[in-house]
Amino acid sequence: AQRVTQPEKLLSVFKGAPVELKCNYSYSGSPELFWYVQYSRQRLQLLLRHISRESIKGFTADLNKGETSFHLKKPFAQEEDSAMYYCALHSYSGAGSYQLTFGKGTKLSVIP
Amino acid sequence: GAGVSQSPRYKVTKRGQDVALRCDPISGHVSLYWYRQALGQGPEFLTYFNYEAQQDKSGLPNDRFSAERPEGSISTLTIQRTEQRDSAMYRCASSPTGGSGYNEQFFGPGTRLTVL
Repeated sequence: AQRVTQPEKLLSVFKGAPVELKCNYSYSGSPELFWYVQYSRQRLQLLLRHISRESIKGFTADLNKGETSFHLKKPFAQEEDSAMYYCALHSYSGAGSYQLTFGKGTKLSVIP
Repeated sequence: GAGVSQSPRYKVTKRGQDVALRCDPISGHVSLYWYRQALGQGPEFLTYFNYEAQQDKSGLPNDRFSAERPEGSISTLTIQRTEQRDSAMYRCASSPTGGSGYNEQFFGPGTRLTVL
């Protein structure tokens, strides 16, 4: 069965410091991975996907199949980056649909 | 344009009561998903609709939970004889198409259910 692990519940960094939010996955097929973000009082929204290989709001994430990881990185944290971040794996459920499996999330707090 | 909407936003009920949670997806979106998120956890898949067809209900925890989408638009998640362990945030998401190719899922604001 597929699984997504985010080992840190809370990550605090100072403004301007580098950020790395860790995500590891377990999946027997070819993985499609995403990062979702939830800012305070807002709904869950897509931040980036590994297929597009783009940088969104300064964040990047590289899929490392050897280490089964998809860590989210940003070189210089900003206060507005403070939010809840979820790593998610898109996979076949085995019961008729493709679905997202989410990690437990990491709360990023950027200290001014 | 309007995003996914859910109602009510907050629901407090007593143990044993039935509740119905509503999701209004983005107009024209084919796929609709329900997720449940307990405190300190990530969203957990409950069920999936392709138009009006419930194609996957493997995530529904037991037979007290049911969902429908009769006209391929609005969906209702019903929990019968609620229990305290049902307390959670219930999230709905929709996407333009379904199938194996990933299409971004757009989430609603969620319904916070509290069972006393």
